[in-house]
Amino acid sequence: EAAVTQSPRSKVAVTGGKVTLSCHQTNNHDYMYWYRQDTGHGLRLIHYSYVADSTEKGDIPDGYKASRPSQENFSLILELASLSQTAVYFCASSDAVGENTGQLYFGEGSKLTVL
Amino acid sequence: GEQVEQRPPHLSVREGDSAIIICTYTDSATAYFSWYKQEAGAGLQLLMSVLSNVDRKEEQGLTVLLNKKDKRLSLNLTAAHPGDSAVYFCAVSGMPNYNVLYFGSGTKLTVEP
Repeated sequence: EAAVTQSPRSKVAVTGGKVTLSCHQTNNHDYMYWYRQDTGHGLRLIHYSYVADSTEKGDIPDGYKASRPSQENFSLILELASLSQTAVYFCASSDAVGENTGQLYFGEGSKLTVL
Repeated sequence: GEQVEQRPPHLSVREGDSAIIICTYTDSATAYFSWYKQEAGAGLQLLMSVLSNVDRKEEQGLTVLLNKKDKRLSLNLTAAHPGDSAVYFCAVSGMPNYNVLYFGSGTKLTVEP
């Protein structure tokens, strides 16, 4: 069974503070992703990575940095947290999607509240 | 970029009825289509995926229909049961990067006994 674990599962941060969300996968997948979910909206891609030590911008990268120090780990960093970044964040991993119809395996989410 | 619209946002059906969720997309290069289910407090799990060369796929009470001409994707749950209550998302991708999925806004399905 594919496994993606996120930490912390819930966090309250102050405006202007630094937040790091961590993700670990044991699937041996090349791709890892960070998505943001807001109430009433679908998931929006923030950053993704297809190889260690490299990250790519998704649709909404502003205000976020990402780090992929190893194949297994992918972090999302909010250097200066803002109220608008209150959301649930999902990490996912996958093999190549498309011809192989590879699926995304999601973690359980990290609920971030910025006050 | 790709725009995905999903409807309805909320759907309530009785046990044994069918439930239909529809997504429309804008990019004609879209070639990978999928449906995910999110149960309360959990991450998303893949239900079914199809490539653009497939018009219809059925698995375990679920039917995915793809109309490329109208850029419309649908998910039909036949004979829904209370365990199907969850939020459902469509997700699509295509060239140049199949790995960048665009998600619909979700449909909260409630199946009443």
